[in-house]
Amino acid sequence: GAVVSQHPSWVICKSGTSVKIECRSLDFQATTMFWYRQFPKQSLMLMATSNEGSKATYEQGVEKDKFLINHASLTLSTLTVTSAHPEDSSFYICSAAPEAYEQYFGPGTRLTVT
Amino acid sequence: GQQVMQIPQYQHVQEGEDFTTYCNSSTTLSNIQWYKQRPGGHPVFLIQLVKSGEVKKQKRLTFQFGEAKKNSSLHITATQTTDVGTYFCAGGYQKVTFGIGTKLQVIP
Repeated sequence: GAVVSQHPSWVICKSGTSVKIECRSLDFQATTMFWYRQFPKQSLMLMATSNEGSKATYEQGVEKDKFLINHASLTLSTLTVTSAHPEDSSFYICSAAPEAYEQYFGPGTRLTVT
Repeated sequence: GQQVMQIPQYQHVQEGEDFTTYCNSSTTLSNIQWYKQRPGGHPVFLIQLVKSGEVKKQKRLTFQFGEAKKNSSLHITATQTTDVGTYFCAGGYQKVTFGIGTKLQVIP
C-alpha cells in the first residue's frame, strides 16, 4: 500500500526556536497533503491543506504565519512551526491521498517545546 | 461547519464480547470513513462507505452507513486483544472532519 513517512518522529526544542517537519509520500505522488494536529486523548484536527505549487489553505483559527507550509514537490510537504511556544507542543500528523478519498497517514511527529 | 460526533468515547469489553461505536454528523455526508489508531501509532484507513444504507464487512468488523447519510456505525464481533485502539469516523472527501474517536480496551 501507499506509504507516507514523516521526519523527525519526535523533537524537543526550546521556546522561541523554529522546527521543521517533513512529510513524504514514498511510492506515490500527492498533489495534496494534509496536516493535522492531535492533542492527547483527542481527535485529529485539520490544520491546513497543502497544495503542490501553490499556497496552503489554512483552517479557521490556524495562524499561517506561525505554521508555515511548503509543498515543494509532488512527494514532499513541510510544516515549520515558527517561534514555538509550549502550547505548540502536540502530535503533528500529515496525510496524503493518492486517490479521491483514502488518506494515508504518516507516523506523526511529537513536538515538545520547553 | 460540519460536526461529526462519536459515541462512546471509551469502551471496555471482555475479550469475546461485541463492540459498537456510533458516528453522527450534523450535516449529510457524501461519504464516511473509518480509521483505527493503535496506542502510540497513527491512524490507519479501514474503509469508506458512500451509498445510503450501505453495509460492508471486513472479517469481524461490520460497517453501516445510515439511510439519511448522517450516521454510521462500526460493530466488532467477538473482540480480540488485537482490536485495542481508538476508532475514528471521518466525513468528507479529501478534506475530512474527524469524530473524537472511541477508545476500545479489551480485557483478556
